Amino acid sequence: SYELTQPLSVSVALGQTARITCGGNNIGSKNVHWYQQKPGQAPVLVIYRDSNRPSGIPERFSGSNSGNTATLTISRAQAGDEADYYCQVWDSSTACVFGTGTKVTVL
Amino acid sequence: EVQLVESGGGLVQPGGSLRLSCAASGFTFSSYWMSWVRQAPGKGLEWVANIKQDGSEKYYVDSVKGRFTISRDNAKNSLYLQMNSLRAEDTAVYYCARALGYDDYMDVWGKGTTVTVSS
Repeated sequence: SYELTQPLSVSVALGQTARITCGGNNIGSKNVHWYQQKPGQAPVLVIYRDSNRPSGIPERFSGSNSGNTATLTISRAQAGDEADYYCQVWDSSTACVFGTGTKVTVL
Repeated sequence: EVQLVESGGGLVQPGGSLRLSCAASGFTFSSYWMSWVRQAPGKGLEWVANIKQDGSEKYYVDSVKGRFTISRDNAKNSLYLQMNSLRAEDTAVYYCARALGYDDYMDVWGKGTTVTVSS
């Protein structure tokens, strides 16, 4: 089965850049989507198909995908960006797969 | 406003059944794939099932195959998840989500409904 690995936690200073990785076998050949989930709330799509932002998502959120790693980058981090972040892909054998999730803390 | 509202969660004994519903509004429900995603307490997201626009294709995660059935009623703008033979490990918040395709992203999510399987 296909697996996606994310760091358990990432800390970033206020106003600095956070990078959240999502590792998977040849993930660069797949479309990667990213979701933000704040405590007690439903997930929110922040990046789709590697690097596209839905309307309403700040330009500070960006994504890239190559080789065995996809990355979500949060620039000029704000307190409101504190949340869990999940990557997601579709795999021909496993269907929908979510990453293990990363807790982002803004210091 | 595009909205999804889940209902039907609750406390059920192991081996019991429950039917979840998801009411859609603000968009053409019949034009979208729909999914169920769950999240066990303190755990990550897990995709459960999805269904094609006309209901002709349905897919499930292995752990629920043969126990859960996804369905939809386009006339009522509603999505359903019939859950039978429930186990403790099915305890979770269940979200319905709108999907842009069978293997694409989920762009609209409901707030979720909680299912607790316990004696």
